[in-house]
Amino acid sequence: SAVISQKPSRDICQRGTSLTIQCQVDSQVTMMFWYRQQPGQSLTLIATANQGSEATYESGFVIDKFPISRPNLTFSTLTVSNMSPEDSSIYLCSVEGGLSTEAFFGQGTRLTVV
Amino acid sequence: AQTVTQSQPEMSVQEAETVTLSCTYDTSESDYYLFWYKQPPSRQMILVIRQEAYKQQNATENRFSVNFQKAAKSFSLKISDSQLGDAAMYFCASGSGTYKYIFGTGTRLKVLA
Repeated sequence: SAVISQKPSRDICQRGTSLTIQCQVDSQVTMMFWYRQQPGQSLTLIATANQGSEATYESGFVIDKFPISRPNLTFSTLTVSNMSPEDSSIYLCSVEGGLSTEAFFGQGTRLTVV
Repeated sequence: AQTVTQSQPEMSVQEAETVTLSCTYDTSESDYYLFWYKQPPSRQMILVIRQEAYKQQNATENRFSVNFQKAAKSFSLKISDSQLGDAAMYFCASGSGTYKYIFGTGTRLKVLA
């Protein structure tokens, strides 16, 4: 299994500002994923981040709003840009399980935009 | 498009009793996996159980078992001898081996003492 550290665990931000969320894994992984979980809702995939290439975004998510970096095989960041109250959500980092068939998740970042 | 449907927003079970959470899915993939994840208030997504679609035998993990009906595209989770620590949101998810999951809307399980 993989141990994932996500920072910050929570934050309250002013509208119009940006927040960068960090995801650190204790082992090298090829694929990392970012999910959004809006209040009372399910998880929705934002993008897939592979090392050495640009992130692949799902429908409804764009790079200008959610830029992602993947500088190496153990680290990724997601930035939520020009935030509005509608961006208030939990953001979760996930990584491939390697030989295991399941993905592993970080503990999430609870973002509140005021 | 892949979809996962959980029709029970909330369920309650008495401690030590058995409860079944429902999940149906739709996928065009021939090779896929199904999962149940638990999300307690800590927000950590914890894998409860997984099922490979090519396996006919239902997966079992201690008090947790699934009823996988491939033709009906149904994947329910049975929790036996429910414990207070089982209280959480439970999400059903499907994936095709790319680790990109489609999640259901979740079922909040309450365990009554």
